[in-house]
Amino acid sequence: DTAVSQTPKYLVTQMGNDKSIKCEQNLGHDTMYWYKQDSKKFLKIMFSYNNKELIINETVPNRFSPKSPDKAHLNLHINSLELGDSAVYFCASSQLTNLADTQYFGPGTRLTVL
Amino acid sequence: GQNIDQPTEMTATEGAIVQINCTYQTSGFNGLFWYQQHAGEAPTFLSYNVLDGLEEKGRFSSFLSRSKGYSYLLLKELQMKDSASYLCAPRINAGNNRKLIWGLGTSLAVNP
Repeated sequence: DTAVSQTPKYLVTQMGNDKSIKCEQNLGHDTMYWYKQDSKKFLKIMFSYNNKELIINETVPNRFSPKSPDKAHLNLHINSLELGDSAVYFCASSQLTNLADTQYFGPGTRLTVL
Repeated sequence: GQNIDQPTEMTATEGAIVQINCTYQTSGFNGLFWYQQHAGEAPTFLSYNVLDGLEEKGRFSSFLSRSKGYSYLLLKELQMKDSASYLCAPRINAGNNRKLIWGLGTSLAVNP
């Protein structure tokens, strides 16, 4: 009965590779997010999708491409991985139509680029 | 620009009360969230304030003053498991949408 789940939990890969992280939520929310948390613990929004439509796209290299096949899923594909991409990536979801619009986070994917 | 200030670290004793302050300068302010994040885990929701005043939720309370750009999180009857990072996150309007702006968090250590 996990609310927001991500796979994989850990990802270790070489520079230059392409990798994907998957996220699923079973809360019935209409909005999903990708965040990056670096080694200084700074949490930065990358993308947000509402009903499969991109609504927030921060200044992120175009090597990062989100894909939302349906409201319950938001995947993140990263091309040509670089050392600086090493971080924890969190997926989150919320219901934008609610006043509070509280975001609920997945457990995170720890990406290490060697 | 958007700016959030919280103390980097705080220490308190088990059973005590601690107040974690947050000041912010944002445009399009639309509410403020507090999250707790244990080491190696995801942020978890603690509280939400959109109007001025105090919101109480068990051992945790959160206060907001929109005119002063100020919020605090009050933790009572501290327990060892409260050792974590506490993130202040104002929400702002972003075009037709909303997004959270995250502080660096306050790392709280609860000692026996």
